[in-house]
Amino acid sequence: DTAVSQTPKYLVTQMGNDKSIKCEQNLGHDTMYWYKQDSKKFLKIMFSYNNKELIINETVPNRFSPKSPDKAHLNLHINSLELGDSAVYFCASSQVPKNYEQYFGPGTRLTVT
Amino acid sequence: RKEVEQDPGPFNVPEGATVAFNCTYSNSASQSFFWYRQDCRKEPKLLMSVYSSGNEDGRFTAQLNRASQYISLLIRDSKLSDSATYLCVVNIATDKLIFGTGTRLQVFP
Repeated sequence: DTAVSQTPKYLVTQMGNDKSIKCEQNLGHDTMYWYKQDSKKFLKIMFSYNNKELIINETVPNRFSPKSPDKAHLNLHINSLELGDSAVYFCASSQVPKNYEQYFGPGTRLTVT
Repeated sequence: RKEVEQDPGPFNVPEGATVAFNCTYSNSASQSFFWYRQDCRKEPKLLMSVYSSGNEDGRFTAQLNRASQYISLLIRDSKLSDSATYLCVVNIATDKLIFGTGTRLQVFP
């Protein structure tokens, strides 16, 4: 009964490729997020969506494009991958008014070679 | 200056010890405060909220000092299972959390 799931768990790819990470939550939450955790373990928000609408868009290169087909899914597509994109990407969800209580997926470890 | 700063540790303590972590935040408009826990190679999970009056949850006590922009977490009677990274988290806007880089705790037998 996974609450927030992500696929794939590991992704190894070469520079210049395009890849996608999928996220699904079965908690009935309205808000979903993408975070990036770099090698220094710094966890930083990238995007948030509420009911399929983009709410937060941090300073992220436009090679990163989130897509929310419905409120239970938030996918992340990355174009022209670079070495610096190597990180763990976490999806999370929450429900108003307790948006501080975010439920994270297991993470996708992306390695760009 | 980072928005949320923590001592990275590691803090190596024996079972049964009491350990305290501190955190400072730079945005005086911060609205609410939390501690999350992240086990090695796992996702972060909410540990507890931090209230102005201080609050306790079992062996864990959290304190907030708004004037000094300072948050603390005290763990009493440490268990081996407490070994993890503890993330100080500040809520700036309705759904925007700012995470510290975490303090690593290692409890040894």
